[in-house]
Amino acid sequence: DAGVTQSPTHLIKTRGQHVTLRCSPISGHKSVSWYQQVLGQGPQFIFQYYEKEERGRGNFPDRFSARQFPNYSSELNVNALLLGDSALYLCASSLAAGLVEAFFGQGTRLTVV
Amino acid sequence: AQKITQTQPGMFVQEKEAVTLDCTYDTSDPSYGLFWYKQPSSGEMIFLIYQGSYDQQNATEGRYSLNFQKARKSANLVISASQLGDSAMYFCAMRDVTGGGNKLTFGTGTQLKVEL
Repeated sequence: DAGVTQSPTHLIKTRGQHVTLRCSPISGHKSVSWYQQVLGQGPQFIFQYYEKEERGRGNFPDRFSARQFPNYSSELNVNALLLGDSALYLCASSLAAGLVEAFFGQGTRLTVV
Repeated sequence: AQKITQTQPGMFVQEKEAVTLDCTYDTSDPSYGLFWYKQPSSGEMIFLIYQGSYDQQNATEGRYSLNFQKARKSANLVISASQLGDSAMYFCAMRDVTGGGNKLTFGTGTQLKVEL
């Protein structure tokens, strides 16, 4: 079975642009969460979606938004990119909303120039 | 607020030796879960082991075991018989339900280097 897949793996954008990152969870998993990992730090929670509804949001500006589709895949959108948005963006999937195990994808490395 | 503390920025261990990576946590929630992840230079976070706050026994998964001391609020990861492929960043994390949703609060990580 395929694990969590994220696309693209690498991305370079210019300040002020918009970006969309995609995530497909493990088959049968209904919860998807997004994390931002800045170089040298642990991941920081951005969003959790379960059954297509937002279940939690971290301390990120409104430039960050996400959604989950009927097939449980998810998109993370970031508008008006800043240099500080450069990071590894990780998607995690879990079977249900309550976390006992959370499996991560390989991440999307975003560079804003 | 929930907090995870990893006080070892870097650790060295010789191949085939055991190593302990420290993790302490702070929470007022009586029900919580603790996770350890491995992150190689490729970036993927690899799930290693999970310990629930009500689990009676310490969790084990192959060469990984979790030394869970509830009274001390510590959840140290023990890797036995270290291998060169164990060289990576290791993160301790806690399930956090404050503010809505279920999320992981991570520590700052420990960089492990396994030497010949």
